[in-house]
Amino acid sequence: TQLLEQSPQFLSIQEGENLTVYCNSSSVFSSLQWYRQEPGEGPVLLVTVVTGGEVKKLKRLTFQFGDARKDSSLHITAAQPGDTGLYLCAAGLDNFGNEKLTFGTGTRLTIIP
Amino acid sequence: KAGVTQTPRYLIKTRGQQVTLSCSPISGHRSVSWYQQTPGQGLQFLFEYFSETQRNKGNFPGRFSGRQFSNSRSEMNVSTLELGDSALYLCASGRGNTGELFFGEGSRLTVL
Repeated sequence: TQLLEQSPQFLSIQEGENLTVYCNSSSVFSSLQWYRQEPGEGPVLLVTVVTGGEVKKLKRLTFQFGDARKDSSLHITAAQPGDTGLYLCAAGLDNFGNEKLTFGTGTRLTIIP
Repeated sequence: KAGVTQTPRYLIKTRGQQVTLSCSPISGHRSVSWYQQTPGQGLQFLFEYFSETQRNKGNFPGRFSGRQFSNSRSEMNVSTLELGDSALYLCASGRGNTGELFFGEGSRLTVL
């Protein structure tokens, strides 16, 4: 059973378009992170969201945490080829303040120039 | 500030052998976690160490083990390798209570 489901699994769009990827679960999280991983590299932390309903922006990327803290979304505006990569959401589900994270299934994004 | 360093980056082993992977965390980070990444299963948690103590363990067989030294450096060992152990093994360091991890580039293990 996958605790964090991401959708879509694959997404290929043209440069300049907008897109949204989703991370869903039936569990409540104390916090949730988004990472991006490029081929041959480890995941890189993009953002942490903590409060229900929270919205964080990182240049063209907008992250939202659901009001009930069970889901999150990542919206990219005017996608660029440099946005290509595997996007992963992750959460610590036991809320004990340690760093055992469960990762989502991932969204593999390709931006076509 | 130096990032997380993993060695070796690539290695090839045969079934039945054992392997040891090394990880040097970011200076000042006391938590080191290990993850296995495969195309089919994604990122799976192996274990987490904090101040030389294993704080959490994932659902992997006992062939997978690890340890952390007093300088926070960590090693993981896989004994009696199986074909299914072929994967990218990622080490991540953190402050220990934020959930924010900083990953190394990984060690890609191929078992023949």
